[in-house]
Amino acid sequence: AQSVTQLDSQVPVFEEAPVELRCNYSSSVSVYLFWYVQYPNQGLQLLLKYLSGSTLVKGINGFEAEFNKSQTSFHLRKPSVHISDTAEYFCAVSDPGGSYIPTFGRGTSLIVHP
Amino acid sequence: DAGVIQSPRHEVTEMGQEVTLRCKPISGHNSLFWYRQTMMRGLELLIYFNNNVPIDDSGMPEDRFSAKMPNASFSTLKIQPSEPRDSAVYFCASRTGGPLAFFGQGTRLTVV
Repeated sequence: AQSVTQLDSQVPVFEEAPVELRCNYSSSVSVYLFWYVQYPNQGLQLLLKYLSGSTLVKGINGFEAEFNKSQTSFHLRKPSVHISDTAEYFCAVSDPGGSYIPTFGRGTSLIVHP
Repeated sequence: DAGVIQSPRHEVTEMGQEVTLRCKPISGHNSLFWYRQTMMRGLELLIYFNNNVPIDDSGMPEDRFSAKMPNASFSTLKIQPSEPRDSAVYFCASRTGGPLAFFGQGTRLTVV
């Protein structure tokens, strides 16, 4: 079974600073990778996805992520964060052997301070 | 499209009562998932339907939990009897044949 590790449970950062949220997954087979964002009392909204092709994936709200197969990582980055980026961020993986069912990490709480 | 619709958004019930959570997937989607989110365990898959048929229910915690999908546009998750440890946010998600799942707003269940 797949597993996803989000190395940081909480990341505090000041507004306009860059941020990286780390994600590693367990499988070495071909996988699909996702980042979702959850604002307080909201559902999960897709930020970006990697299905194939370029390893650098751009998403909404200025976020991007880089797929690194050798490191089995899919870290999320933003060059300059805003207060409104404060939310919970979830990395997820799905693979053909698992019927493409998304498996989620525990989440990283991004806290942006003014 | 209105997206995945869950109801109710919030539910407070007493221990021992029956609770039914509802989900309307996105029209045309043929797979549906129920997830539970808690602080302790994060997002856990409870059950997965494909074409209205339960494919994997290994995540259902115990016999008190049951899920149905009588047609392509409706699913329920029932807890009977409910217990305080069932308090969580329950999410429904749907998708077409591809890997991308779309999530509802969730139902926050509190069992007192």
